[in-house]
Amino acid sequence: DADVTQTPRNRITKTGKRIMLECSQTKGHDRMYWYRQDPGLGLRLIYYSFDVKDINKGEISDGYSVSRQAQAKFSLSLESAIPNQTALYFCATSDSFGERDGYTFGSGTRLTVV
Amino acid sequence: GENVEQHPSTLSVQEGDSAVIKCTYSDSASNYFPWYKQELGKRPQLIIDIRSNVGEKKDQRIAVTLNKTAKHFSLHITETQPEDSAVYFCAAKKQAGTALIFGKGTTLSVSS
Repeated sequence: DADVTQTPRNRITKTGKRIMLECSQTKGHDRMYWYRQDPGLGLRLIYYSFDVKDINKGEISDGYSVSRQAQAKFSLSLESAIPNQTALYFCATSDSFGERDGYTFGSGTRLTVV
Repeated sequence: GENVEQHPSTLSVQEGDSAVIKCTYSDSASNYFPWYKQELGKRPQLIIDIRSNVGEKKDQRIAVTLNKTAKHFSLHITETQPEDSAVYFCAAKKQAGTALIFGKGTTLSVSS
């Protein structure tokens, strides 16, 4: 299922480096989301966007920024990576209400900050 | 904002038994409650959802119940099978203008 594609799939970076995680979709969905998954903490919302000109902070936006370059592209940046940002990052998309077919998740980016 | 609590964090059952996972939410304006299943190494996928205008919904061996007054909802899996082993996440949101807030997940293990 290549409807939501995340790159890279895995990344190891050093503390203090800037890193960008990219997400693109062919679902034609308006809404896009970034979540991080940590063991025992579930999926936590970082940022979400309902259209190209709309960006909203989620539960844990500190230390992250996003860019919605086009309807199909939503990137997540870590301005200065720190070890506690080591996690599995998921991009997701949905239709206008996010309820007809649920969220479609990408395959995830496993980020390690050393 | 919304806060979703999920229990238990781990659940082990024998094949054929039933499994129940419970979630509570804090925002009384929330009206959409989906459940996602994440198999090992895979992405989360929607398995069932319920809206606040109904109290129960079934899909084969899976059912979800909602108690709006108590602000809790539950996932029921009957006749569990080894392939039901996965992490299950509940979530909640208002109809418009917000994103899903997820619980911390329940790791279900079904042994044969």
